[in-house]
Amino acid sequence: EAGVAQSPRYKIIEKRQSVAFWCNPISGHATLYWYQQILGQGPKLLIQFQNNGVVDDSQLPKDRFSAERLKGVDSTLKIQPAKLEDSAVYLCASSLVGEGAAEAFFGQGTRLTVV
Amino acid sequence: GQNIDQPTEMTATEGAIVQINCTYQTSGFNGLFWYQQHAGEAPTFLSYNVLDGLEEKGRFSSFLSRSKGYSYLLLKELQMKDSASYLCASIYNQGGKLIFGQGTELSVKP
Repeated sequence: EAGVAQSPRYKIIEKRQSVAFWCNPISGHATLYWYQQILGQGPKLLIQFQNNGVVDDSQLPKDRFSAERLKGVDSTLKIQPAKLEDSAVYLCASSLVGEGAAEAFFGQGTRLTVV
Repeated sequence: GQNIDQPTEMTATEGAIVQINCTYQTSGFNGLFWYQQHAGEAPTFLSYNVLDGLEEKGRFSSFLSRSKGYSYLLLKELQMKDSASYLCASIYNQGGKLIFGQGTELSVKP
């Protein structure tokens, strides 16, 4: 089966610009996660969707970050305006169910550099 | 929050055994995952524990003690390709939040 698809793979923008990332989860996976991974750290959960509803976005900086999952399939994560500290890899993951033990499958990530 | 703690880095010798420990907050806990992440790549699934005890899968084993909020990943017969970051992640009842630790950077030396 096809894996989690993310685009773009790399993005370089100037601070105060806007950027958007796209994720297509594995078909049939109800849960979708967006993580931010700064170099040398573990992935930090930004937002979790169950179908098209938000389960948790407690660590999403809502003044500049937004995410949506239209029709419970694809998702986009947007940063507007970007700051230098947003430089990181943005990982999308999906799993079959929200509670209990479903393994999360990760996409290759988008490496964002803010200059 | 759901604090997850694991050592930042470890070094081991090729052919040896290494144990990577992880502690987590037990409130609302619903299972523990271990992932492997090579530099520049996405995390890949290694193991899952929900009940107390040891789960063995080839050279890798994972242990869980729910009462102690403790897990470890055991890697046997280390190979150079095992050099990577090992991520401990807990899933919690509140909507199945999957929270990661900081990762343990393992260096395997000849």
